[in-house]
Amino acid sequence: QVQLQESGPGLVKPSETLSLTCTVSGGSITSSYWSWIRQPPGKGLEWIGSMFDSGSTFYNPSLTSRVAIFVDTSKNQVSLRVSSVTAADTAVYYCARRGVTSWFFDNWGQGTLVTVSS
Amino acid sequence: DIQMTQSPSTLSASVGDRVTITCRASQSISSWLAWYQQKPGKAPKFLIYQASDLESGVPSRFSGSGSGTEFSLTISSLQPDDFATYYCQQYNSFPWTFGQGTKVEIK
Repeated sequence: QVQLQESGPGLVKPSETLSLTCTVSGGSITSSYWSWIRQPPGKGLEWIGSMFDSGSTFYNPSLTSRVAIFVDTSKNQVSLRVSSVTAADTAVYYCARRGVTSWFFDNWGQGTLVTVSS
Repeated sequence: DIQMTQSPSTLSASVGDRVTITCRASQSISSWLAWYQQKPGKAPKFLIYQASDLESGVPSRFSGSGSGTEFSLTISSLQPDDFATYYCQQYNSFPWTFGQGTKVEIK
């Protein structure tokens, strides 16, 4: 059973870069495609971006200038960076696996709360 | 972007009730729709894909229907474990977008 676990700092200062890692266990990271999704406190879900096909990425146009997703196959990890953060980036960040047949998300990490505050 | 609108935002129901949640897309998404269940402090749980296909292990009291712009999630007999917030998600076109959620609460 593939499991996903997010990790990273819980507090980031405004204008700095948010960096999170998702460690995949129970399976190879090269066997699927991976995404990041976030949820501000008390609000709905927002897709951030996805990685597929040996490093190809695509991002939500609302975030594309500030976001990067990359994979470290040696560590079985997928990482997220969001630059120039503001309070609006405060959210629970989830990594998720693409479904077998298309771009729904069939396996999610538990999520990690990142607060942007000075 | 395709906007996904769920109704109602909150639904009060009792154990054993049949409940239906609606999800409308701002343009046609064929059947490229998924449903998720989320409980407080937990990650979303995947329930349904392609509008009506149940993920393995999901109880058969859950069902999905619809195509084009109108979709629904039905729970045939609400169980205590079903009180949660439900989200729809379109994957017809990039960027993937979610509905705002429907909270199913105890009446």
